[in-house]
Amino acid sequence: DAGVTQSPTHLIKTRGQHVTLRCSPISGHKSVSWYQQVLGQGPQFIFQYYEKEERGRGNFPDRFSARQFPNYSSELNVNALLLGDSALYLCASSLDSGINQPQHFGDGTRLSIL
Amino acid sequence: RKEVEQDPGPFNVPEGATVAFNCTYSNSASQSFFWYRQDCRKEPKLLMSVYSSGNEDGRFTAQLNRASQYISLLIRDSKLSDSATYLCVVAGVGDSNYQLIWGAGTKLIIKP
Repeated sequence: DAGVTQSPTHLIKTRGQHVTLRCSPISGHKSVSWYQQVLGQGPQFIFQYYEKEERGRGNFPDRFSARQFPNYSSELNVNALLLGDSALYLCASSLDSGINQPQHFGDGTRLSIL
Repeated sequence: RKEVEQDPGPFNVPEGATVAFNCTYSNSASQSFFWYRQDCRKEPKLLMSVYSSGNEDGRFTAQLNRASQYISLLIRDSKLSDSATYLCVVAGVGDSNYQLIWGAGTKLIIKP
């Protein structure tokens, strides 16, 4: 069975551009969460979506947005990119939105802003 | 004070030794706790949940101390393959519900 898949794996952008990152959850999983992980830090929660609705949002500016599609895949959009947005962006899926559900992570998208 | 704090290490430990590290959390109302493992440039993977009574999974033992607001991870008979960063995770409460709050991780290096 396929795990969580993310695309692209690597991306290089310049300041001011926008980016769209994609995530496909494990089959049967209805919840998708997005995290930002800066080198040397733990993942920082950005969003959680469940059944196409936003269930939680972390402390990130409005430049960050996301959505979930009927097939439970998800996109994370970041506008007006800043140098500080350079990070590993991780997507995790779980069966539902329950906080005790194990989260299964994809390999991440490594975003570099020049 | 950070919501979840860990000693970043690195802990340099000889193969076969026992190693333990702690993680402190700030919100006394937190109910769910986890340890994840992350290999270099890889995604985090769930190692184990932490239950109130403590729990064991093979060479790994996790414990929760609510009074002092910390959780611990003990690794016995350490293997070279245990080298990784261990991330402490606390489920958010209140306004942070639905969130997992992550520590920065403790780096463990097992040496032959």
